[in-house]
Amino acid sequence: DAKTTQPNSMESNEEEPVHLPCNHSTISGTDYIHWYRQLPSQGPEYVIHGLTSNVNNRMASLAIAEDRKSSTLILHRATLRDAAVYYCILRDVGYGGSQGNLIFGKGTKLSVKP
Amino acid sequence: EPEVTQTPSHQVTQMGQEVILRCVPISNHLYFYWYRQILGQKVEFLVSFYNNEISEKSEIFDDQFSVERPDGSNFTLKIRSTKLEDSAMYFCASRWDRVLTQPQHFGDGTRLSIL
Repeated sequence: DAKTTQPNSMESNEEEPVHLPCNHSTISGTDYIHWYRQLPSQGPEYVIHGLTSNVNNRMASLAIAEDRKSSTLILHRATLRDAAVYYCILRDVGYGGSQGNLIFGKGTKLSVKP
Repeated sequence: EPEVTQTPSHQVTQMGQEVILRCVPISNHLYFYWYRQILGQKVEFLVSFYNNEISEKSEIFDDQFSVERPDGSNFTLKIRSTKLEDSAMYFCASRWDRVLTQPQHFGDGTRLSIL
């Protein structure tokens, strides 16, 4: 799987937007970009995924660069509950073959100040 | 919303003893996974399971480890003879469909402490 690079940590103020970057310069054409997060003392939690177009859901938005070599997870209004480690993970879409195990990096630890 | 549930939340075991960690995946899911996270380190893949057999396993998943789906609801991870280095959080996950874009749903883990 292609490698991703994320900052080790970021800080945000409550109720402000947060932009979490991820670089994936060796991404292949069939790699989807997935984001998960891990709140303290909990298991990882799916946030969002995309291939080429920007994506929105109730939790966040995902902005994907035109060349797909980078992406940004956007939390529109950070809350204290958003303090977590955020993981950017590439997965090759496909039927059969790999059964989809996720390869986690160190992620970005997001701190949210009140 | 359906959840993956894991029991117990904390397991303390003497080194050399067998331990079984239990998971109840989301009911209509077809793919099952175990991951572990040693304190302060990355989440690591252990094994994936589909159609009653192991699909993939990592180098960590050696002969001391086994998985089973003994009935239609439970998914278990057994460590036959525990070592100190097996101390970690163990997470179970499940996924609905073979389409890899489908998200994995994780439980909140079992903390395994080996004494």
